[in-house]
Amino acid sequence: DAKTTQPTSMDCAEGRAANLPCNHSTISGNEYVYWYRQIHSQGPQYIIHGLKNNETNEMASLIITEDRKSSTLILPHATLRDTAVYYCISPLGGGNKLTFGTGTQLKVEL
Amino acid sequence: GAVVSQHPSWVICKSGTSVKIECRSLDFQATTMFWYRQFPKQSLMLMATSNEGSKATYEQGVEKDKFLINHASLTLSTLTVTSAHPEDSSFYICSAPGDTEAFFGQGTRLTVV
Repeated sequence: DAKTTQPTSMDCAEGRAANLPCNHSTISGNEYVYWYRQIHSQGPQYIIHGLKNNETNEMASLIITEDRKSSTLILPHATLRDTAVYYCISPLGGGNKLTFGTGTQLKVEL
Repeated sequence: GAVVSQHPSWVICKSGTSVKIECRSLDFQATTMFWYRQFPKQSLMLMATSNEGSKATYEQGVEKDKFLINHASLTLSTLTVTSAHPEDSSFYICSAPGDTEAFFGQGTRLTVV
């Protein structure tokens, strides 16, 4: 898996956009970027993934830089329920056998 | 979307006993499942890859005789923690691969007393 680096923690006000950065400078051309999140004492939940184009779904947007060395997960209107640890992962060979880093603890506050 | 169910959600057992955790893919088949362990305030660590109809593949440092994995059908993998000790207390999570992403169970909190 390509090594990813994320800030340890971030705070966000409810209703604001949460922008979570991830560096993956060693990513190779065919490696995707995946985002999962883990709410306390639950299993991880898939959010979104992308290769080189920006992606958007009902949960979030993923912005990948042109050189693919970093990406940003955007939660457009964060709610208290979005408080979780967010993991940026670039798995080798596909999206299933995952190596989790320390992730970013996002705290959404009133 | 696809659902992976784990059972039990939590279990307390006495030291020296064995505990079985089940992981089921409810609406799809999974020839491969993954088992993770998570200690408090730490990230998930992959323990092993469960393969339907064949032996599991264990990550380095994980004792295969202590963590028995059985994947007898395309929808069920089980993890048995044998002769559990307090240091085995942890959050155990399974996942099954989908077409593009992994689906995770809700996790099992094991406490060994």
